Amino acid sequence: GENVEQHPSTLSVQEGDSAVIKCTYSDSASNYFPWYKQELGKGSQLIIDIRSNVGEKKDQRIAVTLNKTAKHFSLHITETQPEDSAVYFCAASKGGSYIPTFGRGTSLIVHP
Amino acid sequence: GAGVSQSPRYKVAKRGQDVALRCDPISGHVSLFWYQQALGQGPEFLTYFQNEAQLDKSGLPSDRFFAERPEGSVSTLKIQRTQQEDSAVYLCASSGRDGFPYGYTFGSGTRLTVV
Repeated sequence: GENVEQHPSTLSVQEGDSAVIKCTYSDSASNYFPWYKQELGKGSQLIIDIRSNVGEKKDQRIAVTLNKTAKHFSLHITETQPEDSAVYFCAASKGGSYIPTFGRGTSLIVHP
Repeated sequence: GAGVSQSPRYKVAKRGQDVALRCDPISGHVSLFWYQQALGQGPEFLTYFQNEAQLDKSGLPSDRFFAERPEGSVSTLKIQRTQQEDSAVYLCASSGRDGFPYGYTFGSGTRLTVV
């Protein structure tokens, strides 16, 4: 089955800096890669996703890049703010009726 | 409701006790998923419903775990004879589209501690 590795497990940055979280996947048939933000006491929210026919997608301060050849994808957050502090999860899926496999999560801490 | 609602938020159970965890998905969402998240780990798939039909239960770790969604809306995850390794956060997610995982919305989870 699919195996998703996520790094780092913890990331500490100063407000205004950029943050990058990286994930690798094993199944070359995976074609959908969502990112979720999990805040304490709140449900996880889908923040951005990318499909395998696209190399990069951007939404304001958040961007995701995908390298299908290397089977890795990354989340980039620019101009970080304290409210970006949360646990971020990547996932990989073959889409359709396939259940996504999640990474272990990255705890992002943005210091004011 | 506006989001996926789970109850209780916290549950402490004595080893051997049965527990029932509830999930109220977003109204009208066809698909409902249960995940188990151990401390420091990502969510691990347990089971999936489309309306009232349980289409995939391959992630349930043992026959002590049972899930139902009898009317295609609220779902209950039941764990019988709880053991310490069952301690985790149990997450419920729902999706309005058949072609998940697009549009997943997670609840806040139920933190189960077995003592």
